[in-house]
Order: sequence, then structure tokens, then C-alpha cells
Amino acid sequence: AQKITQTQPGMFVQEKEAVTLDCTYDTSDPSYGLFWYKQPSSGEMIFLIYQGSYDQQNATEGRYSLNFQKARKSANLVISASQLGDSAMYFCAMRVAGTASKLTFGTGTRLQVTL
Amino acid sequence: GAVVSQHPSRVICKSGTSVKIECRSLDFQATTMFWYRQFPKQSLMLMATSNEGSKATYEQGVEKDKFLINHASLTLSTLTVTSAHPEDSSFYICSAPTSNGGPNQPQHFGDGTRLSIL
Repeated sequence: AQKITQTQPGMFVQEKEAVTLDCTYDTSDPSYGLFWYKQPSSGEMIFLIYQGSYDQQNATEGRYSLNFQKARKSANLVISASQLGDSAMYFCAMRVAGTASKLTFGTGTRLQVTL
Repeated sequence: GAVVSQHPSRVICKSGTSVKIECRSLDFQATTMFWYRQFPKQSLMLMATSNEGSKATYEQGVEKDKFLINHASLTLSTLTVTSAHPEDSSFYICSAPTSNGGPNQPQHFGDGTRLSIL
């Protein structure tokens, strides 16, 4: 079985600062993908970034980067130059090959960006 | 990019009413779609996998007769909450992968349906 753990229920960051949201995972399958989604208060799930288990480099997407440490089974999301619009819930999720595309979600981290 | 449309966005109805929620893939075919439920301040919990042309696969603890799923075509899946009660009030959200290949394809989510049963 797969498991995603997000240990930070809430985080605060000042505008323009960087913030790291933690995510650890557990799976025995060698082929998997890790995703981060943003969920604003309106509810929609916005895909941010993806990291594959065989990817040699950490994924980056604009202000988002993923600090992938495979041996430690962690996939932390780094948001640089935080903006007020970044305030939202952030979910880490994992998908394992051969599981019919199912996503397993962590419990989420609520990020609040302050002035 | 790939878009998933979910309708309605909000439903408020009386206890005992059956509510149908639609999930459409707008510019791609989805042989598989997923239905999630999210209670306030909690994570998304997978309820069932909707399969075009075959029966849905339900997660443990989800009542099949309560949450009816029909994958009518390659672009449409519906979730019907039958005889809804206040405890069924929740945020329901669907998703579809653009490919059933490897694990690297992101799932695209609908905007969700906020269901409130009075």
C-alpha cells in the first residue's frame, strides 16, 4: 500500500520569501510519480508540479521546485518569492504504475502568505 | 490543455433527494475517471474508479448502492448520491488522467461539487 505524509498542517510565510512544504512517501514499487496540487478556498485542484521516480533531476516549474530525495523518500515542494495568491491548501500525491492511475493524497498543508 | 468539467458546482437539497453530478472530459477521451470526496479541512479520499464500458470499482467502505456511478461514454461519468442525508454533505470532485500509461501523467480535476443536504 502507498502512503503520503504531510506533517505540517499549517505554514506561514512572508510575501517574497521562500517556503518549503514537506512531503514523505512510502511505497515498495520502484516506478511511481509524485505530484503537488494547490487547492484554493474555491475548491478546485490545480496541478503544480510532477516528479518521476526515475527522474535524475529535481523538477522545476516557474516558482515551484521539488526537492526530491529518493533515499529519504521525500518530495518537498519549494515555493520561491511567495505571493499573496499562493495562500491555499497544498496536497502532495503519489501514483504508482499499474494501479489504474489512482492517486493517493496526503493530508495537506495550509499555507498562509502574509504581508 | 486538458480540461475536466464538473456540474453542478453547488447543490442544496432536502434529505431523501437523489443528486446527480456530472463529470466531463472536454478535449480528451477518458476511459477511466475518479470520484473523490473531501470533508471540510480534510484530504481527498478516493471513493471509486469509474470505468467506461464496465462496472465502477469502489474503495473499501464506500456503499455501491448509495453512490451510483455510470460511465456512459468516453467523455462522461456521473455520480448519483441516492437518497442523500445530511451526513452525505461534502465536497465531491472528479478527475481524469489524460493517459492510462505510466505514472507521470497528471490527473485533471473538475472544479468540484459542494453538496449540502438539509
